[in-house]
Amino acid sequence: GAGVSQSPSNKVTEKGKDVELRCDPISGHTALYWYRQSLGQGLEFLIYFQGNSAPDKSGLPSDRFSAERTGGSVSTLTIQRTQQEDSAVYLCASSPAAVTTNQPQHFGDGTRLSIL
Amino acid sequence: DAKTTQPPSMDCAEGRAANLPCNHSTISGNEYVYWYRQIHSQGPQYIIHGLKNNETNEMASLIITEDRKSSTLILPHATLRDTAVYYCIVRLPGGSNYKLTFGKGTLLTVNP
Repeated sequence: GAGVSQSPSNKVTEKGKDVELRCDPISGHTALYWYRQSLGQGLEFLIYFQGNSAPDKSGLPSDRFSAERTGGSVSTLTIQRTQQEDSAVYLCASSPAAVTTNQPQHFGDGTRLSIL
Repeated sequence: DAKTTQPPSMDCAEGRAANLPCNHSTISGNEYVYWYRQIHSQGPQYIIHGLKNNETNEMASLIITEDRKSSTLILPHATLRDTAVYYCIVRLPGGSNYKLTFGKGTLLTVNP
């Protein structure tokens, strides 16, 4: 079956530009997560959406970062006025139900963002 | 969440079973054990999870000791494509425990 789909797979942009990253979760998954992974580093949580509940934005590193999830499905992560330290792989994951269950998160292959 | 300890690297011959250990001696009664792997330039891939009983799926088997302080992920017939970093994590469902973190994991190298 179709997994989590992310686009673009690679993005190179100049410092100061805005970028939009897209995530298409597995059909029927109500929970969606964004993480980033810097070279050789672990996962850094960014934001979590669950159904119609208010998202948990506690991991967003600055107000240049925002995310939305329209219609409970596709999500976009937007980074405004990009900086070189934003260079990383941005990963999206989804899971079937509320996180009070043991259901695992399933990841996409990420968007590799490079800021020149 | 309980911490986990994994060997930094392991080697396995192609076609043989790969047995990857994980120590989680401080695991609590309701924490699940999850295994993920990350192949170079790909996102983390969920493999298997369990609470107390051994589990098997099309990818692997998970053996959890009776005291739940350690577990072993078994890839029954390793292939070159199984070369990856394998992460063992423990997680308690609920609260804000959806914020996954990976340790350093085990780099499994499958050799021809």
